[in-house]
Amino acid sequence: ETGVTQTPRHLVMGMTNKKSLKCEQHLGHNAMYWYKQSAKKPLELMFVYSLEERVENNSVPSRFSPECPNSSHLFLHLHTLQPEDSALYLCASSQDRGGGPGDTQYFGPGTRLTVL
Amino acid sequence: GQNIDQPTEMTATEGAIVQINCTYQTSGFNGLFWYQQHAGEAPTFLSYNVLDGLEEKGRFSSFLSRSKGYSYLLLKELQMKDSASYLCAVQDSNYQLIWGAGTKLIIKP
Repeated sequence: ETGVTQTPRHLVMGMTNKKSLKCEQHLGHNAMYWYKQSAKKPLELMFVYSLEERVENNSVPSRFSPECPNSSHLFLHLHTLQPEDSALYLCASSQDRGGGPGDTQYFGPGTRLTVL
Repeated sequence: GQNIDQPTEMTATEGAIVQINCTYQTSGFNGLFWYQQHAGEAPTFLSYNVLDGLEEKGRFSSFLSRSKGYSYLLLKELQMKDSASYLCAVQDSNYQLIWGAGTKLIIKP
């Protein structure tokens, strides 16, 4: 496996379900990110982890809960979601997070989430 | 507030040249990134500019003017596979990427 992988690629869930999204990076990077991408809108940064510590949480509802057990893995735990949470959820990683080309983010293929 | 503006959609002809503009207003500046995203796929990194001027990389070039808060991505010898969305993103003083909504580029034969 190379780059950034995400599972599952597609997920359909009801509003009362609990599910988790998984991201794994094989690039030896120190920072990992969760983004939400909705149609015709800019990417919305949700969470940032640097060296396994959460450094940003952009006012995301508590029904989204991130977990970063080590520098290669990132999870997004979902519970009691709303239909408006349906979107493409993208994971990314970067070597560093301190300015410069080392902050170039590399993305996984995303999880297409549909909440019924 | 912080803002990135780019055209919603552009159309160009195979073999031609197209320029996609991006203007920005951000709290600080630590670099500007361009990404390509094909429908249903991950964004992929194209270019990074932090100094004024033109950076050329094969058929793609990216230009930056920090004083004008302006960048463009220039695509030459367009191919059908270049049909995609092109995302402009600026890294602000907190090292957070501020993203534009993307420009959908349609290539016609």
